[in-house]
Amino acid sequence: EVQLVESGGGLVQPGRSLRLSCAASGFTFDDYAMHWVRQAPGKGLEWVSGISWNSGSIGYADSVKGRFTISRDNAKNSLYLQMNSLRAEDMALYYCAKDAAVGAMEYYFDYWGQGTLVTVSS
Amino acid sequence: QSALTQPASVSGSPGQSITISCTGTSSDVGGYNYVSWYQQHPGKAPKLMIYDVSNRPSGVSNRFSGSKSGNTASLTISGLQAEDEADYYCSSYTSSSFVVFGGGTKLTVL
Repeated sequence: EVQLVESGGGLVQPGRSLRLSCAASGFTFDDYAMHWVRQAPGKGLEWVSGISWNSGSIGYADSVKGRFTISRDNAKNSLYLQMNSLRAEDMALYYCAKDAAVGAMEYYFDYWGQGTLVTVSS
Repeated sequence: QSALTQPASVSGSPGQSITISCTGTSSDVGGYNYVSWYQQHPGKAPKLMIYDVSNRPSGVSNRFSGSKSGNTASLTISGLQAEDEADYYCSSYTSSSFVVFGGGTKLTVL
C-alpha cells in the first residue's frame, strides 16, 4: 500500500525558515518524480515544486522560486521542502504527491499524503 | 503562472449530467495532453479522477469522463450521485513551469 506521510509543519514567524519532510513507502521511491502541492485555508490547490526521480529536473512555482528548495534522498525514501523567508501567503496545508509515471514526469499525481499544516504568523 | 479558469460552482440533480470547464492557454491546456482532474471532499486529500485529458485510473467510475477542445478541457459526470458532491480541480502541464491548477469548482448535488 502506497503511503506518503508529511511532517515538519508548524507555527513560524514571517521571515523564518521551516523544513518539510515526506516519508514514502509501498512503492519503489527512486522510480518516481515527486511533488509538493499546497492549499491555503478555504482556497484551491497550488502546485509548489516538483523533482524528478534522480533530482536531475526540478521546477518551482513563481510564487516560491528563490525561497523554497526541493530535494530528495532516495536511500531514505524521503522528499523534502526547505522553505526560507516565509511569508503570510505561504500559510497552507502542504501535500506531498507522487507522480504517476515511472522514470519520467507525467505531471499528474496518483497518490497524496494527508498534508502538514504551515502557519506563518508573528 | 495564472491559474486555469474554472467556474466557481455547478449543480445538478441526481441522475443528471454536468460538465465542468477548465480554460487555459496554448502554453498549457491547449498545447499538451497533460490535463488531469481531481476530486476533493472536505477535509480529505485530492483524488485523481482523469489523467492525460481523458483516461480514467483503475477504480474510478466510468461516469467520469474528460475531453479537450483547443484551450478548454472539460470534465463530465453522468448519472450524478450524492457522493459526487465535492470540489473538482483541473491541472495541466505548463511550459512556464511544471504544473498549474485551476481555481476549483464546487459541485452541489441538489
